[in-house]
Amino acid sequence: GDSVTQMEGPVTLSEEAFLTINCTYTATGYPSLFWYVQYPGEGLQLLLKATKADDKGSNKGFEATYRKETTSFHLEKGSVQVSDSAVYFCALNQGAQKLVFGQGTRLTINP
Amino acid sequence: SAVISQKPSRDICQRGTSLTIQCQVDSQVTMMFWYRQQPGQSLTLIATANQGSEATYESGFVIDKFPISRPNLTFSTLTVSNMSPEDSSIYLCSVTRALGTNEKLFFGSGTQLSVL
Repeated sequence: GDSVTQMEGPVTLSEEAFLTINCTYTATGYPSLFWYVQYPGEGLQLLLKATKADDKGSNKGFEATYRKETTSFHLEKGSVQVSDSAVYFCALNQGAQKLVFGQGTRLTINP
Repeated sequence: SAVISQKPSRDICQRGTSLTIQCQVDSQVTMMFWYRQQPGQSLTLIATANQGSEATYESGFVIDKFPISRPNLTFSTLTVSNMSPEDSSIYLCSVTRALGTNEKLFFGSGTQLSVL
């Protein structure tokens, strides 16, 4: 079945560092790909998405490009802030809004 | 955005008992789902809660263990029955709402369940 594999955490960085969280997927067909974020004490929120190959999703300084040839959707940010500390989930859409999630990566940014 | 109230936010339960989790949305939504996140693992879809009819369960999940109700378009409950320590997880309610021509998915803040 479809699956998502994420970079294992936790990840700890200093403020203004460059961030990459790796995500690869296995799926039949051409799923949509997502990054969700969960800030402490809050629900999951959609961070960005891409619906077809070579699309780039971006939001709040984060970017991810849908790479069909490598089946990847890595999350990047050029300069992280303390407020980016959260758990990040990569996911794909199986249709009818059913999502398959990666295991999540906890990110901590130190000032 | 949809405001989702999920209760309780956390609970500690004894083996063999049952817990009902409530999900209340501030306005009508198209679809409601229940997910489980076991420690250190992905979120896994348990079922789709259907308004006025039986829920649609994913492979590996059954109604006897996870009965679900959805009496109207803004409310659903998930019961974790005859609990064991393996049921210790975060349980999440999610909903879809039409926004223009798109549908957007929203999540509640989850219920952290510990079974002793």
